[in-house]
Amino acid sequence: GESVGLHLPTLSVQEGDNSIINCAYSNSASDYFIWYKQESGKGPQFIIDIRSNMDKRQGQRVTVLLNKTVKHLSLQIAATQPGDSAVYFCAENRYGGSQGNLIFGKGTKLSVKP
Amino acid sequence: GAGVSQSPRYKVAKRGQDVALRCDPISGHVSLFWYQQALGQGPEFLTYFQNEAQLDKSGLPSDRFFAERPEGSVSTLKIQRTQQEDSAVYLCASSLGQANQETQYFGPGTRLLVL
Repeated sequence: GESVGLHLPTLSVQEGDNSIINCAYSNSASDYFIWYKQESGKGPQFIIDIRSNMDKRQGQRVTVLLNKTVKHLSLQIAATQPGDSAVYFCAENRYGGSQGNLIFGKGTKLSVKP
Repeated sequence: GAGVSQSPRYKVAKRGQDVALRCDPISGHVSLFWYQQALGQGPEFLTYFQNEAQLDKSGLPSDRFFAERPEGSVSTLKIQRTQQEDSAVYLCASSLGQANQETQYFGPGTRLLVL
């Protein structure tokens, strides 16, 4: 079925290095993508989003890249810090779809080693 | 400002009991969503409200699950005759408008354990 998935379930990086978290989606009709960060015991926290008319968007220390040709999404975190340790989810939404409910992937756990 | 709040944060229920989970969305937010998150999984959509109207309940797993938002602000998710498979974190999210592609802000969730 159509789904949002992740290539890597876990990622371990050294503090100060850059992190890249990947996500694949299968529905070409998806036109809005969001990255959330979830720390243990907390709800998902919005990081950054991107619409399908863009291929790159930058925030503070984060960049999201969208490749519609291969249905791939990535989140890049620059100069990763211990506070970045969390589970990261990509989610998709389809304009005109079911009233805006998000479809989440399974998540990637990011561990930052000091 | 205040974010989305949920109560209780933790709930332990015996199998067969009814539970009620509360969500206070961000003030003024039109849209409200409920999601269920099993351990080690991403959140899964349950139901959606636009103001007081429940426009989509396609994700509710059974007729034991019921949600309401009578005045278009606070919402309650009720689970009747709880089963062990209902154990999960129940997340509430709200967004400002009624259109798609609006940022959804999540609450901390209610962790439900059914024994």
